[in-house]
Amino acid sequence: AQKITQTQPGMFVQEKEAVTLDCTYDTSDQSYGLFWYKQPSSGEMIFLIYQGSYDEQNATEGRYSLNFQKARKSANLVISASQLGDSAMYFCAMREPRSSGSARQLTFGSGTQLTVLP
Amino acid sequence: NAGVTQTPKFQVLKTGQSMTLQCAQDMNHNSMYWYRQDPGMGLRLIYYSASEGTTDKGEVPNGYNVSRLNKREFSLRLESAAPSQTSVYFCASSEAQGPAFFGQGTRLTVV
Repeated sequence: AQKITQTQPGMFVQEKEAVTLDCTYDTSDQSYGLFWYKQPSSGEMIFLIYQGSYDEQNATEGRYSLNFQKARKSANLVISASQLGDSAMYFCAMREPRSSGSARQLTFGSGTQLTVLP
Repeated sequence: NAGVTQTPKFQVLKTGQSMTLQCAQDMNHNSMYWYRQDPGMGLRLIYYSASEGTTDKGEVPNGYNVSRLNKREFSLRLESAAPSQTSVYFCASSEAQGPAFFGQGTRLTVV
């Protein structure tokens, strides 16, 4: 079974509007971390935001916020006031204390390609 | 602010050739990782090192070996390259529960 599922291969948003990128995860651990990364066309992986499973408040970093719904096992990324420079691939990732014998690895979803339209 | 440095950035190999991808980090992180990225499949973990002197297999370790030379350096070796190993390779490092920080990537083509 997929540990991280991103169901939106591609998304479009108008400049200055908000957009939500979906991420659901599967774990039986109580302690885990959720991360979002941005990969622009230049190829580098840029860390955006982190949410711990015990954090009571949703994480925010500037225009990025993470809509964390623990019971639904979802960790959606919300980008407010989209900019042309937000056009990129976005990856959701999860770190569990131990998975398949390899401690503390990061498992990634397949990504969502976001295009911001002028 | 070097962060994570990978070399080389691009490489073309012939089937059966060997090569080593180098990775170094200057953030004093204990954990280091090698991932490969293929179209439509996100990043998949090849090998992982929790600390100096330890390595663990990830999701797709076959055809690869790693060496954690010291706390800073973590290399990935392809002993006999195959076309299926054509991919973009990323090295990353992190503290135990924190985010992973990535190198610029190595685009490898095996012909």
